[in-house]
Amino acid sequence: AQSVTQLGSHVSVSEGALVLLRCNYSSSVPPYLFWYVQYPNQGLQLLLKYTTGATLVKGINGFEAEFKKSETSFHLTKPSAHMSDAAEYFCAVSSSSGNTGKLIFGQGTTLQVKP
Amino acid sequence: EAGVAQSPRYKIIEKRQSVAFWCNPISGHATLYWYQQILGQGPKLLIQFQNNGVVDDSQLPKDRFSAERLKGVDSTLKIQPAKLEDSAVYLCASRLGQTTDTQYFGPGTRLTVL
Repeated sequence: AQSVTQLGSHVSVSEGALVLLRCNYSSSVPPYLFWYVQYPNQGLQLLLKYTTGATLVKGINGFEAEFKKSETSFHLTKPSAHMSDAAEYFCAVSSSSGNTGKLIFGQGTTLQVKP
Repeated sequence: EAGVAQSPRYKIIEKRQSVAFWCNPISGHATLYWYQQILGQGPKLLIQFQNNGVVDDSQLPKDRFSAERLKGVDSTLKIQPAKLEDSAVYLCASRLGQTTDTQYFGPGTRLTVL
């Protein structure tokens, strides 16, 4: 079975500060890993994903994440927070075996950006 | 390119009533998912279609929930009768083909059961 744990349900940073959102996963097969962002009253938008290849993945809006197999982690970072980054962030895992591609999501982390 | 469309955006019903949600995926996307997102939690898969066939409905409460995808395009999700704990956002997502392809999500339908 696969699972995702996001450490910290709320993270608050100042504008211009480093953003670090933590995600750890559990998977018995090589995972595919995703970060999605959700703005109020909107659906989820993909920020970035890791499937194979380079373990440092760059996404939209200046975000990036690094797949660390030894630590079973896929933390999301951004060097400098903008006010527009305030939203809910979800880490998700899917299996590289089988053909469902269904996503298992973490509980989410709310990012607050203070001026 | 048009995104995933869902309607209605909001719905308020009394418990024991029935409700239906509609989803139109991105054109050409073979795979369609329905997720339930309860407040404060991440989305949870309810059912997955590949074209018009069900791939995974293991988490669908089949005594009250049903879903169909006619002609492998649009899909409807129905709840009958609704319970208070069904209050949630129902998200539809679609995917082109490969499991590594991105899932694109619609805006969701927010259901409140009173």
